[in-house]
Amino acid sequence: KQEVTQIPAALSVPEGENLVLNCSFTDSAIYNLQWFRQDPGKGLTSLLLIQSSQREQTSGRLNASLDKSSGRSTLYIAASQPGDSATYLCAVTPRSGAGSYQLTFGKGTKLSVIP
Amino acid sequence: NAGVTQTPKFRVLKTGQSMTLLCAQDMNHEYMYWYRQDPGMGLRLIHYSVGEGTTAKGEVPDGYNVSRLKKQNFLLGLESAAPSQTSVYFCASSPGTYNEQFFGPGTRLTVL
Repeated sequence: KQEVTQIPAALSVPEGENLVLNCSFTDSAIYNLQWFRQDPGKGLTSLLLIQSSQREQTSGRLNASLDKSSGRSTLYIAASQPGDSATYLCAVTPRSGAGSYQLTFGKGTKLSVIP
Repeated sequence: NAGVTQTPKFRVLKTGQSMTLLCAQDMNHEYMYWYRQDPGMGLRLIHYSVGEGTTAKGEVPDGYNVSRLKKQNFLLGLESAAPSQTSVYFCASSPGTYNEQFFGPGTRLTVL
């Protein structure tokens, strides 16, 4: 069964710092990996989607990388701002089988950016 | 474009009561999903639908039923609520199986 782990569970950084959030998954047979942002009491906002054939995706100050063979993804946030404070979730889509419709989520990293 | 909307936003039920959560999307997506989010457990898939008139079980389907009578709507029903169903429920939609999923704002349900 696919398992997704995000370490650390919480991270606090000063404003302006560059930071990296980590995501690891146990089964490399994935179709894609998606990074989400969740603000307190709110729904999930999709940040980046990386297909299994891609190595990275960029959107503004965000850059996500994928190393499928090692079961790892990182989300790099440049020049962090207090508005980046949120919980960041990663999720993978299995490549095949009964679970292929099902995103498997990590438990998230809660990021606090201190002004 | 409202995206994915959910009704209601909050609800408190007593054990044994029933209710229906409504999800609506205006993006003409074929696929729709219901997840629940619990502290320490992450998000887990309850049921999903790959098109109008179809539904299927996800990881944690027990105690829930769903219907997709119209392409834009996906209903989640609790026939006899239990305290273990206290959770935040999220609906999502996507154009296809392996596409980006778009989430609604969630429904916070408490069962006493």
